[in-house]
Amino acid sequence: NAGVTQTPKFRVLKTGQSMTLLCAQDMNHEYMYWYRQDPGMGLRLIHYSVGEGTTAKGEVPDGYNVSRLKKQNFLLGLESAAPSQTSVYFCASAGTGELFFGEGSRLTVL
Amino acid sequence: AQSVSQHNHHVILSEAASLELGCNYSYGGTVNLFWYVQYPGQHLQLLLKYFSGDPLVKGIKGFEAEFIKSKFSFNLRKPSVQWSDTAEYFCAESNAGNNRKLIWGLGTSLAVNP
Repeated sequence: NAGVTQTPKFRVLKTGQSMTLLCAQDMNHEYMYWYRQDPGMGLRLIHYSVGEGTTAKGEVPDGYNVSRLKKQNFLLGLESAAPSQTSVYFCASAGTGELFFGEGSRLTVL
Repeated sequence: AQSVSQHNHHVILSEAASLELGCNYSYGGTVNLFWYVQYPGQHLQLLLKYFSGDPLVKGIKGFEAEFIKSKFSFNLRKPSVQWSDTAEYFCAESNAGNNRKLIWGLGTSLAVNP
């Protein structure tokens, strides 16, 4: 039972490049989330999904897109990366209230 | 808007000292409350949670928290900290009507000196 798995774990991008972060969960959870974590700012919700085929904006959605084509996967895309998107990204899933987190993806945009 | 406040941003303790981290939430209705811990370089893990019942909640690794509804508080405690408790601690709440949308505090960084 892997729980929540994120790939890649590390990535360096140049400004303007695009990339996709993949989150996979094997707990059959309906809810999935993408957060970013920056020093002194805690966790900020980017986008979330309440079920397959649905997505919703969180606190800081600008510059990101998401898709939930399959229940177990939640993809986070950066169409044109900016240095302000340098951060650690965490995916999480939830069944009955408690969130389970992935190990994080550290993204650096130069 | 709902909010969660963690009063201490940075705490430094010596081993064996007692710990209390403050957390206050703003939602006036029925709440679910959580404490998560993030060890250096790792992901967040659940320490303990309160949904209903006994307001004194015991979690993993000797941590406990007390829900005091009249004070809108959910403070985290541990009687004797260890060096391995060095981590970032996050308080979060959700309301019973939307219990999978969490509101997060900014976190408290705890450093325990051996």
